[in-house]
Amino acid sequence: AQTVTQSQPEMSVQEAETVTLSCTYDTSESNYYLFWYKQPPSRQMILVIRQEAYKQQNATENRFSVNFQKAAKSFSLKISDSQLGDTAMYFCAFMKHVLEDSNYQLIWGAGTKLIIKP
Amino acid sequence: NAGVTQTPKFQVLKTGQSMTLQCAQDMNHEYMSWYRQDPGMGLRLIHYSVGAGITDQGEVPNGYNVSRSTTEDFPLRLLSAAPSQTSVYFCASSYAGPHQPQHFGDGTRLSIL
Repeated sequence: AQTVTQSQPEMSVQEAETVTLSCTYDTSESNYYLFWYKQPPSRQMILVIRQEAYKQQNATENRFSVNFQKAAKSFSLKISDSQLGDTAMYFCAFMKHVLEDSNYQLIWGAGTKLIIKP
Repeated sequence: NAGVTQTPKFQVLKTGQSMTLQCAQDMNHEYMSWYRQDPGMGLRLIHYSVGAGITDQGEVPNGYNVSRSTTEDFPLRLLSAAPSQTSVYFCASSYAGPHQPQHFGDGTRLSIL
């Protein structure tokens, strides 16, 4: 069974600093998807970034980028020039490739609480 | 754009009561799902649907029922509420599956006394 581990329950950094959140996963699959979702205090879950395992290039969305290390089964999220609005819970999630398995389920990590200090 | 709408936002129930959490989306998404979120844990999938008339169980389906009679609506029914079902419940939708960006509702905080 697949598992997703986020080893940092909580982190805090100063505004404008760069922060990296860790995520590791366990799978025997070769083709899959990885996600980072953000949950601000307002509670609504928002997709930050998405990576397809077959793509070598790391995904990037503005200040958010990932370091995808397939062999190490690692999928860390880097936030550059952090802002107060980045304060949130961040969840890493995994899903097997749709074509290989009709079981449409995401496996979620426990989350990392990120606090950006002014 | 309403997106995904969940009602109610808060609910308190007594053990043994039943209730339905409502979820509606106006984006013509085929895939809809229900999660529960408990402290210190990731989201856990309760049930999901890949289209009208099609539902399937997720990781923690016991004690919950769903139906999908229309593309827009995906209600979650608690059959006989238990304290272990105290949680925050989220409904989510995406165009074809969770491999695509999911849109989440604001959640329902449910307390079972």
